[in-house]
Amino acid sequence: DAKTTQPTSMDCAEGRAANLPCNHSTISGNEYVYWYRQIHSQGPQYIIHGLKNNETNEMASLIITEDRKSSTLILPHATLRDTAVYYCIVRVGAGGTSYGKLTFGQGTILTVHP
Amino acid sequence: SAVISQKPSRDICQRGTSLTIQCQVDSQVTMMFWYRQQPGQSLTLIATANQGSEATYESGFVIDKFPISRPNLTFSTLTVSNMSPEDSSIYLCSVYRDGYTFGSGTRLTVV
Repeated sequence: DAKTTQPTSMDCAEGRAANLPCNHSTISGNEYVYWYRQIHSQGPQYIIHGLKNNETNEMASLIITEDRKSSTLILPHATLRDTAVYYCIVRVGAGGTSYGKLTFGQGTILTVHP
Repeated sequence: SAVISQKPSRDICQRGTSLTIQCQVDSQVTMMFWYRQQPGQSLTLIATANQGSEATYESGFVIDKFPISRPNLTFSTLTVSNMSPEDSSIYLCSVYRDGYTFGSGTRLTVV
């Protein structure tokens, strides 16, 4: 699975958009970009994933560059409860029998302040 | 997605003893994954458990230290054997079913 690079930490004001970047310059054509977050003392929580098109769900938006070498997770209106460690993971898409382990990097500590 | 019940949620154990962590899933899954998260660190995969076969361990983890059972498609256990303070971590199980789901973790402190 491709390696990812994320900033160690970021701050965001409550109510503003949080934009979390991720570099994955060695991503392969069949690898997806997944985002998970881990709120203190809890198990990781799925946020969103995508292959090459931008994706949006009720939690966040995922913007993937045209060359797929980087992406940005956007939390449109951050709240204090969004304070967590955010992990960007690149791996072959899961489905049928093609799933397997997730490899976690160090992630980005996002702190949302009042 | 699947719902995972992981027990115990936390424990304090004496060095040299063993602790068995249970992971129960609300639906049948092929693979179950066990992770360790040391204090202040990210998650590291310990092993992948398939029903009916021996678990596959990642580099740096061995069966004698972390024996795993997978008796059926909804249940697995991880044992942390002969514990030392360095084993103090959060241990998490995970499954894939319409996405990866994680248990709430077991916070282990070895004294």
